[in-house]
Amino acid sequence: DADVTQTPRNRITKTGKRIMLECSQTKGHDRMYWYRQDPGLGLRLIYYSFDVKDINKGEISDGYSVSRQAQAKFSLSLESAIPNQTALYFCATSDASTFNEQFFGPGTRLTVL
Amino acid sequence: AQKVTQAQTEISVVEKEDVTLDCVYETRDTTYYLFWYKQPPSGELVFLIRRNSFDEQNEISGRYSWNFQKSTSSFNFTITASQVVDSAVYFCALSSIQGAQKLVFGQGTRLTINP
Repeated sequence: DADVTQTPRNRITKTGKRIMLECSQTKGHDRMYWYRQDPGLGLRLIYYSFDVKDINKGEISDGYSVSRQAQAKFSLSLESAIPNQTALYFCATSDASTFNEQFFGPGTRLTVL
Repeated sequence: AQKVTQAQTEISVVEKEDVTLDCVYETRDTTYYLFWYKQPPSGELVFLIRRNSFDEQNEISGRYSWNFQKSTSSFNFTITASQVVDSAVYFCALSSIQGAQKLVFGQGTRLTINP
């Protein structure tokens, strides 16, 4: 079984809809991250969390919110989706033992029409 | 602020050629990590290497080698005798050792190996 899972893997939604992307991990890591990937821009950090009570904004947090429900679960929400949020979204995990190496989920491809 | 630049957007070579992917970074930190990740057509991100800023020794792993030069703030990646399976998008990334330890990624280089 994969150590970092993301659901759904693919999602098509309409402008204005609320959508939640979920990430779960079995690696026991305390740090979790959400990135979005756009062609030609690489991966950009949306939010990150060092534990359940520690949530931090990343480079491009506007239009997104997150919830760390447990050490193993980190959800990303788009309150009112817009077309320029169409992207590939990755969740990642790490902890002090990984020396900053992050372990990525398989990605969620989101299309906002 | 930290920044990673991969100036080569796309590279296309014929199988068995050697190819070098460039990575230039900017940071004010004295200690940091540099990474390379591979993203094959299937979409997942595969970790290739981490390099500590203290260690400027070049590294070789099979057909892959990495050249880290602090003086030019570069961390270049060379594939020797390229194969079709090497076709992917490759990302260079930078992370501070202290503080938030966030990964800052370059734009990526799409490498196509033609048979």
